[in-house]
Amino acid sequence: DAKTTQPTSMDCAEGRAANLPCNHSTISGNEYVYWYRQIHSQGPQYIIHGLKNNETNEMASLIITEDRKSSTLILPHATLRDTAVYYCIVRVTDSSYKLIFGSGTRLLVRP
Amino acid sequence: EAGVAQSPRYKIIEKRQSVAFWCNPISGHATLYWYQQILGQGPKLLIQFQNNGVVDDSQLPKDRFSAERLKGVDSTLKIQPAKLEDSAVYLCASSLVKAKRNTIYFGEGSWLTVV
Repeated sequence: DAKTTQPTSMDCAEGRAANLPCNHSTISGNEYVYWYRQIHSQGPQYIIHGLKNNETNEMASLIITEDRKSSTLILPHATLRDTAVYYCIVRVTDSSYKLIFGSGTRLLVRP
Repeated sequence: EAGVAQSPRYKIIEKRQSVAFWCNPISGHATLYWYQQILGQGPKLLIQFQNNGVVDDSQLPKDRFSAERLKGVDSTLKIQPAKLEDSAVYLCASSLVKAKRNTIYFGEGSWLTVV
């Protein structure tokens, strides 16, 4: 299973863009990159996923490098409610297609 | 659309007692997961069901943990007897089918404290 590496913690100012990096150098060609976040006392919340093209939805943008060895989740205008642990996950492609979580990045949005 | 429902939300038991958690997935979702999340760590998959069959239970401590999904809808996770190290949040999740592009949705979790 492809592993991911994320910084343990980051912070950004409210209203600014938050850019969360993720390395997945062993990713294979058919493995998707997923991002989830977990706000304190809640279950993980799906944010976005992608294969090779950049993706955008109402919550965030996902930028995947051309070699697919890394990606960046962008929260364009961070708010205090975006303070959470963000998980970058490479989804397994065996018959289970399960999600294997790492430790994630703790993002603190400062007022 | 209703999300993944779990109960109870909080439970405190003494070690060696038993406890059961219930999960109702999103309507129509064939795949159901139970994860264990210890404080400060990411969630760890315990068991995965496809309809009422087990897909993966390799991380389930089968000497004390059991799970079932008899009619392919609701699921129950049981711990008997509980140990102190079982204190964690137990998360249930579901997806339409098991596929690499199908989103997995999580419930709010059941918080267990073993004293």
